[in-house]
Amino acid sequence: DGGITQSPKYLFRKEGQNVTLSCEQNLNHDAMYWYRQDPGQGLRLIYYSQIVNDFQKGDIAEGYSVSREKKESFPLTVTSAQKNPTAFYLCASARHWEAFFGQGTRLTVV
Amino acid sequence: RKEVEQDPGPFNVPEGATVAFNCTYSNSASQSFFWYRQDCRKEPKLLMSVYSSGNEDGRFTAQLNRASQYISLLIRDSKLSDSATYLCVVTTSFGNEKLTFGTGTRLTIIP
Repeated sequence: DGGITQSPKYLFRKEGQNVTLSCEQNLNHDAMYWYRQDPGQGLRLIYYSQIVNDFQKGDIAEGYSVSREKKESFPLTVTSAQKNPTAFYLCASARHWEAFFGQGTRLTVV
Repeated sequence: RKEVEQDPGPFNVPEGATVAFNCTYSNSASQSFFWYRQDCRKEPKLLMSVYSSGNEDGRFTAQLNRASQYISLLIRDSKLSDSATYLCVVTTSFGNEKLTFGTGTRLTIIP
């Protein structure tokens, strides 16, 4: 089955640690996105990529980093510089602007 | 001003009623528009695209008003299963497919 997979589903980390969230797609989509969602809030764009080895900052990129070494993969690193990292992180891939989302990763920093 | 704005609600509507949401966007160069549905603690899923001529899918009707820069979603004969958060999405293409989501409108259908 084609789709987009995020892992892990739940992640707990200590404050000050970097953590990397995985996002893999087999839909052969060029565009991939990372969003953050806080309780009762909408989706805010962190980073997006239209092509391998290229990516752009979204609206809230500070404290995050990404890479796009392969078309299928777009991992997100939440660094210790991110002040409030606890959130629901959603990865998406898109073709012709129709976005398909993974099931998300709930990150809790304690 | 936010790029995409929605009334957060909540909208509490009796079953069988008709409900409508609007979503306004600030960039007049915006190209494509969509409505997504998000159930509680789940990922968003595409509900329907919004075309200039408007489009209908069963009980759902989406319309675009470019002059006033808003899109709308109308749900007729609402069902309990329509309870969800509805997110509008706007794209602006400058060879750069940035998908901007609204904050979402929460809908609860009451039996």
